Amino acid sequence: GDSVTQMEGPVTLSEEAFLTINCTYTATGYPSLFWYVQYPGEGLQLLLKATKADDKGSNKGFEATYRKETTSFHLEKGSVQVSDSAVYFCALRGGTSYGKLTFGQGTILTVHP
Amino acid sequence: NAGVTQTPKFQVLKTGQSMTLQCAQDMNHEYMSWYRQDPGMGLRLIHYSVGAGITDQGEVPNGYNVSRSTTEDFPLRLLSAAPSQTSVYFCASSYSPLGPGELFFGEGSRLTVL
Repeated sequence: GDSVTQMEGPVTLSEEAFLTINCTYTATGYPSLFWYVQYPGEGLQLLLKATKADDKGSNKGFEATYRKETTSFHLEKGSVQVSDSAVYFCALRGGTSYGKLTFGQGTILTVHP
Repeated sequence: NAGVTQTPKFQVLKTGQSMTLQCAQDMNHEYMSWYRQDPGMGLRLIHYSVGAGITDQGEVPNGYNVSRSTTEDFPLRLLSAAPSQTSVYFCASSYSPLGPGELFFGEGSRLTVL
């Protein structure tokens, strides 16, 4: 079945540092890939998505590129802010599981001033 | 613009009690689903529906029941609550049952079973 693996967390950075959160996936076919963000005490919000190989999703300074050859969708941001502190989830949809959104385990990001 | 609305936001139950978590969406989405979020485990699918009158099980369906009598509503019932069901529950919906579109999430319902 489908699966998503995220880098181990938590991640702690200083403001303006570079961020990478690794995400790899296993799925048949051509799934869509997503990054969701969960701020403290809130629900999940879509951060960015990519629906086919080599697509780059971007939003709020975050970027991720759909790499089919390495089955990866790593999240990057050049300069993080304290307000980026949240839990980040990588997810896929449209692989072998009918309509299901398959999540990674989540990565907690804390940014210090 | 309500989106996906869940109630209640917080609930405390005793072991053996039953309750219903409500979920409603106003986007005319065909696909609706329930997830539970537990520390270190991401989100796991409990049940889902691809349209009114059609439901199916996800990864962790035991102890939960669902129905879909209308496009808008997808309640989740806990039949006899157990401490293992202490979790945060999220309802999510999507226009297409198959994708590639994203799911829209409610704000969550935090359930504690004593």
